[in-house]
Amino acid sequence: AQKITQTQPGMFVQEKEAVTLDCTYDTSDQSYGLFWYKQPSSGEMIFLIYQGSYDEQNATEGRYSLNFQKARKSANLVISASQLGDSAMYFCAMREDRHWGKLIFGQGTELSVKP
Amino acid sequence: DADVTQTPRNRITKTGKRIMLECSQTKGHDRMYWYRQDPGLGLRLIYYSFDVKDINKGEISDGYSVSRQAQAKFSLSLESAIPNQTALYFCATRPGTGNYGYTFGSGTRLTVV
Repeated sequence: AQKITQTQPGMFVQEKEAVTLDCTYDTSDQSYGLFWYKQPSSGEMIFLIYQGSYDEQNATEGRYSLNFQKARKSANLVISASQLGDSAMYFCAMREDRHWGKLIFGQGTELSVKP
Repeated sequence: DADVTQTPRNRITKTGKRIMLECSQTKGHDRMYWYRQDPGLGLRLIYYSFDVKDINKGEISDGYSVSRQAQAKFSLSLESAIPNQTALYFCATRPGTGNYGYTFGSGTRLTVV
């Protein structure tokens, strides 16, 4: 069973507007972590934001925020004030603490920012 | 220098050849990982290591082997490369405690012809 689901293969957003990238996860563990990574066309994996399963407040990092709804098992990424440089693939990932901390990735969402 | 360095950045090799991808890190972390990314997909775990003496298979280890030469060095080998091993390979490291944030290398783009 797929543990990380990103249902939006591709999305478009107008420059300066906000966009939400969806991520749902499946785990029976109490302790886990959720990550978002950005992968530009150059290929590197850039860490954006982290949310621990015990964190009560939603994580924020600059223009990035993570909308964590634990009961619904969702961890959506919100990018405010989109910029042209935000065009990239975005991956949601879950760290399985019970399985030696390995990361499981979703299939990604390709975001295109229009001028 | 980058925290996690992968060499080579790009490589084209022939079917049946042995090839080694190298990874070194300056973070001082014990845990190191090799992931593979196929076009349009997320990353999948090949091998992981918690220290020099602790190496474990991930979900797609067939056709690969690894060597942890030192805390800072973790190499991935394809014993006999085949075309469906064409992919982008990432090395990563993370601490054993804390928020367990991963640091990834820049990736090695491998093409097997």
